[in-house]
Amino acid sequence: KAGVTQTPRYLIKTRGQQVTLSCSPISGHRSVSWYQQTPGQGLQFLFEYFSETQRNKGNFPGRFSGRQFSNSRSEMNVSTLELGDSALYLCASSLAVTSGQETQYFGPGTRLLVL
Amino acid sequence: AQRVTQPEKLLSVFKGAPVELKCNYSYSGSPELFWYVQYSRQRLQLLLRHISRESIKGFTADLNKGETSFHLKKPFAQEEDSAMYYCALSGEHRDDKIIFGKGTRLHILP
Repeated sequence: KAGVTQTPRYLIKTRGQQVTLSCSPISGHRSVSWYQQTPGQGLQFLFEYFSETQRNKGNFPGRFSGRQFSNSRSEMNVSTLELGDSALYLCASSLAVTSGQETQYFGPGTRLLVL
Repeated sequence: AQRVTQPEKLLSVFKGAPVELKCNYSYSGSPELFWYVQYSRQRLQLLLRHISRESIKGFTADLNKGETSFHLKKPFAQEEDSAMYYCALSGEHRDDKIIFGKGTRLHILP
């Protein structure tokens, strides 16, 4: 099976812009979760989608949003970018009928740099 | 509230010596606990989960509910064990999300 893929792999934006990141889960996986990884804060949960519905949300401002399509592919969007949004954004998929109890399979991440 | 604490940011161990990466958690019910590992230039991947009771790459972890700990252990460290290790917790309820600790960088000295 192909693994989780994320596009783009690298992105440079300026403050105030918006960005959309994409994630394709492993075939058959219906849950997609997004994480922000930074050296200071480690891995922080952003949100999880299951069957096109947001099932869980972390403690991030409303500038961070996401969606999931019928084929389980997911996108996350960050509007009005701030310097502090520079991070590695990881996507993970799982079978996850129950939210966090299944093994998460991670993608390679998208590294976002905000100037 | 759910919380995962990994008290050591960096752990340096000589090759052949025993390794113990500490993980303490806070959760009022029956947690599901995981260890994830990220080797240099590789994806974050599951190392083991407590429910499977497996030994992966020589690592084991026992859930101690009394001490609310899930420490990762290996009797003899190998150089290829150098990586970033994350402890993670999920709850028993359908909508509980997964929480990661801040990670411990394990450095195996030759």
